[in-house]
Amino acid sequence: EDQVTQSPEALRLQEGESSSLNCSYTVSGLRGLFWYRQDPGKGPEFLFTLYSAGEEKEKERLKATLTKKESFLHITAPKPEDSATYLCAVQVGYSGYALNFGKGTSLLVTP
Amino acid sequence: DGGITQSPKYLFRKEGQNVTLSCEQNLNHDAMYWYRQDPGQGLRLIYYSQIVNDFQKGDIAEGYSVSREKKESFPLTVTSAQKNPTAFYLCASSIGAPGQGSNTIYFGEGSWLTVV
Repeated sequence: EDQVTQSPEALRLQEGESSSLNCSYTVSGLRGLFWYRQDPGKGPEFLFTLYSAGEEKEKERLKATLTKKESFLHITAPKPEDSATYLCAVQVGYSGYALNFGKGTSLLVTP
Repeated sequence: DGGITQSPKYLFRKEGQNVTLSCEQNLNHDAMYWYRQDPGQGLRLIYYSQIVNDFQKGDIAEGYSVSREKKESFPLTVTSAQKNPTAFYLCASSIGAPGQGSNTIYFGEGSWLTVV
């Protein structure tokens, strides 16, 4: 059975304190691993797609990396506006490219 | 503006009633999806459609129904058979053509359904 597990469930950082979020997965036939940001009461906002082990992508203070079993979302010198829930999802070859989501990591960055 | 529009934002349902959530996209995407999100839970797939007039059940389709008569529209009906419908519902779409590799899925702003 395909599984996506995110850790930690919640993370509190001080502004400027860098950290990483983890997404481990067990799937067959991975087509892509996705990261989304979700603000309270809103739909998920697309951040990155990673396709193969060793791939990295960056956007402002965020950097996503991928290995054969897990992905990391590194947050460098976070600001309070980075506070949100970060969702990891995998895309496989069935279900019409639908995504299989983890439960998310809730990030709070305090001034 | 291009995007995915869900309506209404908030909806209340009485016991035994069917309700329909609207989802419209102007991105010219072939594939559309419905997800349900409960507090502390990941998004779970209800139904998906890869082309007009075709749709398939996802992981939690019981108590829900959909139609796909137009490319732009993918309404979700929550029927009285759904025993625990209170949740946040998310519609999404993607280019969806098989063979193009991975397809980014974009989401609407969601609809809150509450049973009263």
